[in-house]
Amino acid sequence: QKEVEQDPGPLSVPEGAIVSLNCTYSNSAFQYFMWYRQYSRKGPELLMYTYSSGNKEDGRFTAQVDKSSKYISLFIRDSQPSDSATYLCAMNGGNNRLAFGKGNQVVVIP
Amino acid sequence: DTEVTQTPKHLVMGMTNKKSLKCEQHMGHRAMYWYKQKAKKPPELMFVYSYEKLSINESVPSRFSPECPNSSLLNLHLHALQPEDSALYLCASSPERGTGSTDTQYFGPGTRLTVL
Repeated sequence: QKEVEQDPGPLSVPEGAIVSLNCTYSNSAFQYFMWYRQYSRKGPELLMYTYSSGNKEDGRFTAQVDKSSKYISLFIRDSQPSDSATYLCAMNGGNNRLAFGKGNQVVVIP
Repeated sequence: DTEVTQTPKHLVMGMTNKKSLKCEQHMGHRAMYWYKQKAKKPPELMFVYSYEKLSINESVPSRFSPECPNSSLLNLHLHALQPEDSALYLCASSPERGTGSTDTQYFGPGTRLTVL
């Protein structure tokens, strides 16, 4: 079983829709949870990071962590064509190693 | 400022060439990383420097040689690469507050390397 599971299937949504992405993990040592956005041929850009269970909002983005279920989510409200990118979840258990999900390609159709 | 810069943006090299990739950050971070990323895959960790000392080498072939001249700079020296080494090479940095840091990592834009 991989440490981090993220269904890599591409996701197409109409502009203005809510995008919902999630990852599950198996390692209880993970303490920091991150979402990165990566545009084609660019480096990953840190979008959100959370430490505790619960919700964290930043503009149109909400990150959710449920440590008891080992499940994290990212929601993008009022999606825009500029949100079209690959979204990677990543987790850190305190040893400088990030465990990444496979990434979700999101396409927002105008 | 959460910027990590990398040069060059693109690099094409033959299998007998020697070249270097450069990375710089001015955030005062004390951990720096090299990753390799193939198309449609997540980044794969190669090396970690903590307080300018190599702390992690993920069994990377010796044709890749990292160097950390000071706390702001990270180099990756390349020699006798193979075509399968063509990829996006990413540098990242994070604050390092001691052993077992859980700080998040900030990535640079990457160098797209093509080996002919």
